[in-house]
Amino acid sequence: GENVEQHPSTLSVQEGDSAVIKCTYSDSASNYFPWYKQELGKRPQLIIDIRSNVGEKKDQRIAVTLNKTAKHFSLHITETQPEDSAVYFCAASTGGFKTIFGAGTRLFVKA
Amino acid sequence: NAGVTQTPKFRILKIGQSMTLQCTQDMNHNYMYWYRQDPGMGLKLIYYSVGAGITDKGEVPNGYNVSRSTTEDFPLRLELAAPSQTSVYFCASSTTQLRAGIQYFGAGTRLSVL
Repeated sequence: GENVEQHPSTLSVQEGDSAVIKCTYSDSASNYFPWYKQELGKRPQLIIDIRSNVGEKKDQRIAVTLNKTAKHFSLHITETQPEDSAVYFCAASTGGFKTIFGAGTRLFVKA
Repeated sequence: NAGVTQTPKFRILKIGQSMTLQCTQDMNHNYMYWYRQDPGMGLKLIYYSVGAGITDKGEVPNGYNVSRSTTEDFPLRLELAAPSQTSVYFCASSTTQLRAGIQYFGAGTRLSVL
């Protein structure tokens, strides 16, 4: 079936460094790629998204890139801060109800 | 505008008991979902609905049932609770309109089956 692979499963960085999380999807019909952040004990919340007609999108310290040919998309966090520590989920969607989530990346930012 | 509301927030069940997890949304979203999240793991889709009266199984439907009699409500039923159903349950909804694909999650229900 369709799936989304996410790497790494755990990522530890020093405060101020950059963090990169990568995802690969299998459904070529996917055209919407959201990223969710889940803080400990909280609900997942959308932090950034990108649609297939765009190659890159940036919002302050976070950016997402998409390579449709290779079916890869990535989340980049620059100048990491302790409050960036959370679990991040990538997802791929056909724009309707079908959304496939990655397994998540646990990011630790060390002060 | 409350978004997606789940009740209860916490519940402890004994093996074999039944319960219903409630989920309601006030955003007029067509699509609704139930996920479970085991400790340290990702989201697994239990059931989803594309509109009132229409439901379908997700990845892990065994031991659960759902109904969707209205656009707003999407309750999840556990008939015979088992320890394997100890998890955090998230309800979510999404629209078919302009921001299609974005899922809005409820705060979750933390369930323990002992």
